[in-house]
Amino acid sequence: NAGVTQTPKFRILKIGQSMTLQCTQDMNHNYMYWYRQDPGMGLKLIYYSVGAGITDKGEVPNGYNVSRSTTEDFPLRLELAAPSQTSVYFCASRRTGSLNYKSQPQHFGDGTRLSIL
Amino acid sequence: AQKVTQAQTEISVVEKEDVTLDCVYETRDTTYYLFWYKQPPSGELVFLIRRNSFDEQNEISGRYSWNFQKSTSSFNFTITASQVVDSAVYFCALSSGANSKLTFGKGITLSVRP
Repeated sequence: NAGVTQTPKFRILKIGQSMTLQCTQDMNHNYMYWYRQDPGMGLKLIYYSVGAGITDKGEVPNGYNVSRSTTEDFPLRLELAAPSQTSVYFCASRRTGSLNYKSQPQHFGDGTRLSIL
Repeated sequence: AQKVTQAQTEISVVEKEDVTLDCVYETRDTTYYLFWYKQPPSGELVFLIRRNSFDEQNEISGRYSWNFQKSTSSFNFTITASQVVDSAVYFCALSSGANSKLTFGKGITLSVRP
């Protein structure tokens, strides 16, 4: 069972470069999320999506963009990378469709460790 | 606005000791959900437990137990007879609202020494 798959696992970028962090899930989950985790901090929500074609901002969206063209994929794009975006990025998905769907836990990928120098 | 406070930042215990990780939350919603996640040194996030706001029954799973008290807005996690493999960062999280976005605490780093 693949679950939530993130690529790449590690990446080093130069200031001003751009890149896309890939996230795909094979559980047919409608809800998907992107978080960043900084040292000593909990995870903060960047963007989320409640289904294909629908995305919305989270707590820290500046400097990022997302798209959701399919149920499976939810890529996160960094434009003009800055040192403040050095972080570990987690993608997550959550099941919907049942009466108690709001209580379903989010399933996380293994993370992408991104350094911007 | 939602908030999760994990006041303890680092805890160190000797193997076989019991340890309690504290979590205090704030929310204006009457229906909400609480979660604990474990992040071992390898970095992945592992779901441990969820609790609905309308279910205050405590739960035990092996060496793990959780104490949910709405009166004090707390959802504490106890590990009994800790083991070295319990060494990890533990996050408490709160979810409410239609889109069930998670609000995380800052995490507690637990070190269990042999």
